[in-house]
Amino acid sequence: NAGVTQTPKFQVLKTGQSMTLQCAQDMNHEYMSWYRQDPGMGLRLIHYSVGAGITDQGEVPNGYNVSRSTTEDFPLRLLSAAPSQTSVYFCASRRAGQRMNEQFFGPGTRLTVL
Amino acid sequence: TQLLEQSPQFLSIQEGENLTVYCNSSSVFSSLQWYRQEPGEGPVLLVTVVTGGEVKKLKRLTFQFGDARKDSSLHITAAQPGDTGLYLCAGPPHSGGSNYKLTFGKGTLLTVNP
Repeated sequence: NAGVTQTPKFQVLKTGQSMTLQCAQDMNHEYMSWYRQDPGMGLRLIHYSVGAGITDQGEVPNGYNVSRSTTEDFPLRLLSAAPSQTSVYFCASRRAGQRMNEQFFGPGTRLTVL
Repeated sequence: TQLLEQSPQFLSIQEGENLTVYCNSSSVFSSLQWYRQEPGEGPVLLVTVVTGGEVKKLKRLTFQFGDARKDSSLHITAAQPGDTGLYLCAGPPHSGGSNYKLTFGKGTLLTVNP
């Protein structure tokens, strides 16, 4: 199993450009999430999905779109990049269930917006 | 939004010392998780605590969940340089519904010097 994979690992954008951060998992997990991590701010939830075709907003959704057409993939789209979106982005997945199951994180994408 | 406050924010100690880091909230959590994140990588789950008063041990790491399920602590005995990293606590909302949304604390950055 590859676990959770993210591409690209690094990206530099100019203000106003758009791009898609890719995330895939091969563990057949129902739940997938996108977080951003900024110094001193911890991990903040951007969007999440509880299954294919179902997505919802997290704590900081503005400026980001998501879709979940398959169980495996959960791409994050930046529509018009802004310097405030400079951050490290983590995708995560875990099994659904009554228990608080382990959340598996990808290696992250470090994004800089100039 | 239920907040998780972690303290201290930074901790630098010598190899062999003991330490305790804390995760506190004014809200009740149905369970809490502790993650460790190393530089350039995603967080990795260390433990999940679900019962008030529960104590779990993972080699030199001891995790405790408060009786009222509002706080948790992580104690490391005889710290080693390999313990260096960002320690994050996380939990789902207690008030009914699904547990698919996690709240993360801002973390404690631990440095263990040889």
